[in-house]
Amino acid sequence: AQTVTQSQPEMSVQEAETVTLSCTYDTSESDYYLFWYKQPPSRQMILVIRQEAYKQQNATENRFSVNFQKAAKSFSLKISDSQLGDAAMYFCAYLSNAGKSTFGDGTTLTVKP
Amino acid sequence: EAGVAQSPRYKIIEKRQSVAFWCNPISGHATLYWYQQILGQGPKLLIQFQNNGVVDDSQLPKDRFSAERLKGVDSTLKIQPAKLEDSAVYLCASSLHTTNEKLFFGSGTQLSVL
Repeated sequence: AQTVTQSQPEMSVQEAETVTLSCTYDTSESDYYLFWYKQPPSRQMILVIRQEAYKQQNATENRFSVNFQKAAKSFSLKISDSQLGDAAMYFCAYLSNAGKSTFGDGTTLTVKP
Repeated sequence: EAGVAQSPRYKIIEKRQSVAFWCNPISGHATLYWYQQILGQGPKLLIQFQNNGVVDDSQLPKDRFSAERLKGVDSTLKIQPAKLEDSAVYLCASSLHTTNEKLFFGSGTQLSVL
C-alpha cells in the first residue's frame, strides 16, 4: 500500500518570502501522479499543482513549484512571494495508475504580515 | 461551471443514531469519491464509484457505513448506527474519469457524534 508522509505539521513564513513544504511517499509503482491540494478554513480542497511521475521536468504554476525527486520519492512544494491568502492546510496526495488516492496528514501554513 | 454540492454542511447526532449525507458531483463527471477527514488528519478514501458501480470500498466499514450512487449521478453516504469515532468531515469529490485526473471537492459535511 502507498503511504504519504508530511513531516512538518506546521510551518510559518513572512509575507513575500519563500517557503518549502516537504512530502515523501512510498510506492512500488513506476507510473503515478502527485498533487498538492490547499484546504482553507472553508474546507473545500483546491488543487495547487500536479506532477506526472514519468515527467522529469518539475511542474510550475505561477508562484508554486515542486521539486520532484523520483528516486528519493520526494515531492516538495515551494511557494514564492508568499501572500496572506496562501495561509491554509496543504495536503500532498498520491494517485496510483489505477486511480487510488492516498493523502498525507497535512501541513498548516501560517503567513505573517 | 457548478461545483460539487454537498449537504448538510453540519450535522450533530447522538451515538447509535443514523445519519445520511448527500453529494451532487459536477455534471458529466464519471467518478465520485467519499472521503472521511478526521481532525488533524488527511482525507481517507471510503468509497469510489465509477458511474454507478463501486470501484473501491476496501476502507469502508461495511457493518455501519453504506453508500449508493443512483443513476451514476447523485450519491448518498449513510452511517447506521453512528459511533463517537465517526465524528469527522465527510468530503465528496468527483473527477471526469479515473486515472491522473484532478479531483474537484465539495465543502464537506462536518459530523459531530455526541
